[in-house]
Amino acid sequence: DAKTTQPPSMDCAEGRAANLPCNHSTISGNEYVYWYRQIHSQGPQYIIHGLKNNETNEMASLIITEDRKSSTLILPHATLRDTAVYYCIVGVTGGGNKLTFGTGTQLKVEL
Amino acid sequence: EAQVTQNPRYLITVTGKKLTVTCSQNMNHEYMSWYRQDPGLGLRQIYYSMNVEVTDKGDVPEGYKVSRKEKRNFPLILESPSPNQTSLYFCATMPLILALQGSYNEQFFGPGTRLTVL
Repeated sequence: DAKTTQPPSMDCAEGRAANLPCNHSTISGNEYVYWYRQIHSQGPQYIIHGLKNNETNEMASLIITEDRKSSTLILPHATLRDTAVYYCIVGVTGGGNKLTFGTGTQLKVEL
Repeated sequence: EAQVTQNPRYLITVTGKKLTVTCSQNMNHEYMSWYRQDPGLGLRQIYYSMNVEVTDKGDVPEGYKVSRKEKRNFPLILESPSPNQTSLYFCATMPLILALQGSYNEQFFGPGTRLTVL
């Protein structure tokens, strides 16, 4: 499984873009990058995922570098409700039997 | 409404007293799994199930049992709980086809069960 590395914490002002980085230098060619978030001990919530191309949905944008060794999750206009722990995960292909969450990035959005 | 429910949501118990945490889903998903979450360690998978009567160990299965007699239910059993099993537990589900592809974009998590073992 490809491991991921994220900064433990980040701060962001409300209304500004939050850019959360993730390194996954051992990612395999057919493994996707997924982002989840967890708000204060609730169940993790899926945000977005991608393989090679940049992706955007109503929640966020995902920028994946050309070599796929890192990615950035962008929350374009962060609000206080976006305060959460954000997890970057690389999917296991084939067996799909293990989904490993790391320690994530604690994003704190402040006024 | 798509739902994953867990019961109980909070439980305080004593060492050695058998307990079961239930997980139920109404999405007809084949794949279900249990995670525990501890400070500084992130989410770790305990057990998972690809379908009825098919279960397998995750990363931290010691001290836990599971069963999958029905598609919708996947209970987590602690036969003899110990204090090191004090944790926040999450049940998760997804369609099997996505699990096999490693596509975790449709994994639904339950609300969590906070367990304290004294």
